[in-house]
Amino acid sequence: AQKVTQAQTEISVVEKEDVTLDCVYETRDTTYYLFWYKQPPSGELVFLIRRNSFDEQNEISGRYSWNFQKSTSSFNFTITASQVVDSAVYFCALSDPSMNRDDKIIFGKGTRLHILP
Amino acid sequence: GAVVSQHPSWVICKSGTSVKIECRSLDFQATTMFWYRQFPKQSLMLMATSNEGSKATYEQGVEKDKFLINHASLTLSTLTVTSAHPEDSSFYICSAMGSGRALYNEQFFGPGTRLTVL
Repeated sequence: AQKVTQAQTEISVVEKEDVTLDCVYETRDTTYYLFWYKQPPSGELVFLIRRNSFDEQNEISGRYSWNFQKSTSSFNFTITASQVVDSAVYFCALSDPSMNRDDKIIFGKGTRLHILP
Repeated sequence: GAVVSQHPSWVICKSGTSVKIECRSLDFQATTMFWYRQFPKQSLMLMATSNEGSKATYEQGVEKDKFLINHASLTLSTLTVTSAHPEDSSFYICSAMGSGRALYNEQFFGPGTRLTVL
């Protein structure tokens, strides 16, 4: 069965601290996609990254970085020098083409991140 | 590019009435559109997948007679909540996936519609 686990329900850090959001996934297939989305209070989902299962290179985009480790089925997300505007709910998600529903995205329960000024 | 809009952004209705929510892909043709529901402080749950010109595929536990989905064109899908009740109050989000190479297998999300049933 496909599953995405975000064990951290809620995190609070002081501005300028680094914070890592954990994501562990389960899938039986070797080909899949992993995603991170940000959902600010407005509710609109903001796409952050999509990673193919064959690409294990870590990615950095400004203050955001992602650590993909297939050996531990994890796709963690780190925000460095956090800012108040980073406060949001962050969802990790999985898309597994082998399900014969290659467009279905399974979301984790989300991590609510509070950046305190 | 790849913008998806939803209308209305919020709606309040009386119990027993029907509400229609529109999802449009503004600058690409969406062969597939998805409807999600998100209750407060919870994750997004896929309700149904709709392909243009064919019947929607509903997830287990979603009543197809209550949540009517129409995907009549490559840029428009509608979700109608029939005989809405307070427990249907939720945030409804659509997403669209294009058929073009650059958009393949990538979903673009709408801004969501907040439904409140009194």
